[in-house]
Amino acid sequence: QVLLQESGPGLVKPSETLSLTCSVSDGSLSSYFWSWIRQPPGKGLEWIGYISSSGNTRYNPSLKSRVTISVDTSKNQFSLNLNSVTAADTAVYFCARVVGFQLLLWDLWGQGTLVTVSS
Amino acid sequence: DIVMTQSPDSLAVSLGERASINCRSSQSILSSSNSQNYLAWYQQKARQPPKLLIYWASTRESGVPDRFSGSGSGTDFTLTISSLQAEDVAVYYCQQYFTTPTFGQGTKLEIK
Repeated sequence: QVLLQESGPGLVKPSETLSLTCSVSDGSLSSYFWSWIRQPPGKGLEWIGYISSSGNTRYNPSLKSRVTISVDTSKNQFSLNLNSVTAADTAVYFCARVVGFQLLLWDLWGQGTLVTVSS
Repeated sequence: DIVMTQSPDSLAVSLGERASINCRSSQSILSSSNSQNYLAWYQQKARQPPKLLIYWASTRESGVPDRFSGSGSGTDFTLTISSLQAEDVAVYYCQQYFTTPTFGQGTKLEIK
């Protein structure tokens, strides 16, 4: 059973950069695309972007100017950087595996990590 | 962006009864190239991540009980649970993947 685990600071100051990492428990990182999705407390879901194992990316246009997703196959990890954060970026951030046949669907999710933006 | 609107916002159904959740997209998500509707349904239980239930509007993900079914085409879709079980209490989201993914606001399903 493949597990995904998000890690990173739970508190980020306004205007700073939010940085999270997702660890993939087995060696399957190279076989799939991977995504970040977020959910503000008590609200709905927002797709952030995806990355392939070779580093090809696609981002949500609404966040594109502030987002970078990267991958480190040697560590079985991929990462999210979101800069110039505001309170509106407070959310549970999920990493997820993209299904094999469609790049905008996800069949395996991490438990999520809450990131609060506050001074 | 394609706006996804679910109805109702919340729903209470008795155990063993049918539950239906509707989802409408602001434009058609039916592809003319492959005749597929780019619509998925997710289930999110309390303090858990979402779980993929259905994709292509009506295809059940592996391991999903057959009491869950999806229907609809174009802009109007429905998730039906034929006989509600206690473990089905959750928030259900529809999602379009025709363009940049967007989700409905969610429908909270409870036991009456």
